[in-house]
Amino acid sequence: DAGVIQSPRHEVTEMGQEVTLRCKPISGHNSLFWYRQTMMRGLELLIYFNNNVPIDDSGMPEDRFSAKMPNASFSTLKIQPSEPRDSAVYFCASSHGQPSPLHFGNGTRLTVT
Amino acid sequence: DAKTTQPPSMDCAEGRAANLPCNHSTISGNEYVYWYRQIHSQGPQYIIHGLKNNETNEMASLIITEDRKSSTLILPHATLRDTAVYYCIVRGTGNQFYFGTGTSLTVIP
Repeated sequence: DAGVIQSPRHEVTEMGQEVTLRCKPISGHNSLFWYRQTMMRGLELLIYFNNNVPIDDSGMPEDRFSAKMPNASFSTLKIQPSEPRDSAVYFCASSHGQPSPLHFGNGTRLTVT
Repeated sequence: DAKTTQPPSMDCAEGRAANLPCNHSTISGNEYVYWYRQIHSQGPQYIIHGLKNNETNEMASLIITEDRKSSTLILPHATLRDTAVYYCIVRGTGNQFYFGTGTSLTVIP
């Protein structure tokens, strides 16, 4: 089992550019979660999907953020346009549903200059 | 969804048991308690979870009080590699999984 795979590991971009983060969940898992971590705000739940359907996106900070899950093996988190305050580590996690635990990827460190 | 309260930091001598407390006084009857840890900026690592009964695995033990309002994670023989931030999480019935501020555990040689 390869675990949750996130790409890229690091992303440096300029303000105003579009950024797309990618996640491949563990095969067979039916829930997928996107988190953002900063020193100031800790780990924040942005959005989660059950069976590819977004269930709760109340954590998405602004309309600049969007997430999709076109199939069970792939999800994207897009920021357009990016801003310096979006700089953070973004984590993806997947689960086989309650009460199975979440398994996290290694994250994408985003720097917006 | 239940909130959790943890001490911000703790120290533990290497080789001794580390006991990390967590309060979750508003937990509902069917909500599970999960423990994770995070080392530096790596992804959070799952440790253990439970509902009512005490649980043990190769990493740790989880002790949940009878009224379920608090729990304790026990690392039986702490090593330097156990230095990390430990998170106690109560999972909402809607599948939400919110992290609090956690406890920063430092294992001292």
